[in-house]
Amino acid sequence: DIQMTQSPSSLSASVGDRVTITCRASQTISSYLNWYQQKPGKAPKLLIYAAFSLQSGVPSRFSGSGSGTDFTLTISSLQPEDFATYYCQQSYSTPPTFGQGTKVDIK
Amino acid sequence: EVQLVESGGGLVQPGRSLRLSCAASGFTFDNYAMHWVRQAPGRGLEWVSGISWNSASIGYADSVKGRFTISRDNAKNSLYLQMNSLRAEDTALYYCAKDGGGSGSRTYNLDYWGQGTLVTVSS
Repeated sequence: DIQMTQSPSSLSASVGDRVTITCRASQTISSYLNWYQQKPGKAPKLLIYAAFSLQSGVPSRFSGSGSGTDFTLTISSLQPEDFATYYCQQSYSTPPTFGQGTKVDIK
Repeated sequence: EVQLVESGGGLVQPGRSLRLSCAASGFTFDNYAMHWVRQAPGRGLEWVSGISWNSASIGYADSVKGRFTISRDNAKNSLYLQMNSLRAEDTALYYCAKDGGGSGSRTYNLDYWGQGTLVTVSS
């Protein structure tokens, strides 16, 4: 199975900050990388698919980049509703696997 | 509006069985692959199983292979997960999720999720 490793595991940031979360795959996955946001008590929500494609309805302050083994999720200006846990997931092969999550909380 | 509503969770003893259901609406169910993903309390996400639109292609995580069976009834717009020989480590919130690929393709881009049904395995 492909292992996905996110960093950091948690971070504290302020409203308006630029936030970057990284995800590394244990082998090359081309651009088969998705990002999800999960708020407490809620189901995950797809933000980015295929490394950089914004899911419909997702604000443009979210962006994704990378290919091969190294990927990045960037929030250009953190908003109060963005405090959540973020997961990357590879969709390259079965089983699809998730990173361990990055919790973004308020500084 | 896409809706996925899971049911069937509960408290069950180790070694027993449980069947989860997911009722889908708001999209053409038989055009899309579907998946089950679980989340143990306070933990991350784990894909459990997926099924193609026509049930021809099915996959399982190694952790549940041989114990869990995924199925679907396109006439009823429903997805199922039969869970046998349950273990304490199967305790989790089980989500039903729609695959974002259309026309029968499976992408593992999970674009809609239900709210989950909680399975607790304990004596």
